[in-house]
Amino acid sequence: AQSVTQLGSHVSVSEGALVLLRCNYSSSVPPYLFWYVQYPNQGLQLLLKYTTGATLVKGINGFEAEFKKSETSFHLTKPSAHMSDAAEYFCAVSYTGNQFYFGTGTSLTVIP
Amino acid sequence: EADIYQTPRYLVIGTGKKITLECSQTMGHDKMYWYQQDPGMELHLIHYSYGVNSTEKGDLSSESTVSRIRTEHFPLTLESARPSHTSQYLCASSELDKNYGYTFGSGTRLTVV
Repeated sequence: AQSVTQLGSHVSVSEGALVLLRCNYSSSVPPYLFWYVQYPNQGLQLLLKYTTGATLVKGINGFEAEFKKSETSFHLTKPSAHMSDAAEYFCAVSYTGNQFYFGTGTSLTVIP
Repeated sequence: EADIYQTPRYLVIGTGKKITLECSQTMGHDKMYWYQQDPGMELHLIHYSYGVNSTEKGDLSSESTVSRIRTEHFPLTLESARPSHTSQYLCASSELDKNYGYTFGSGTRLTVV
């Protein structure tokens, strides 16, 4: 079965430090890959996506992610964390465009 | 402004009541979805639709039902609410056969007492 694994349900970083949120998928077929962010009491907002082409994709709010086929990974990074980045982050994959599979989410805390 | 709207945002209701969670989108998307989200858990797809008069059950078994009479509207109904239905319900939409990702509504947090 297709699945998405997000390592670390909670990640804490200091303000200004590097943010690294991990996502791995299990499939021999490269999927389409997405990162979503969810702020408290809100729905999910698309941060960035990889469909085809360049494997390093840039999203909103200074986030970027790199698709590494050999590692079946799509880790999310941001060079310098800001307090406003505190939120829940979800990795998702899609193979057909008709259904998405979400990870369990990673809660990011930014320490002043 | 194109968007997707869910009402109510919060709902506390007694066991046995019938409830309908509303979801409307103004983007003309063919595909619409309902997800159930519990804290610390992945999102679970409970219903989806590819267009008017199309509805399918998702991966997670649910006692709810949906309808799609109009493209923009995809309500979810629970005929008899139970405490086990307490959860957050997220509605989403996307374009057909395109991997542009979902647009999500703000969610409805349902508590059944």
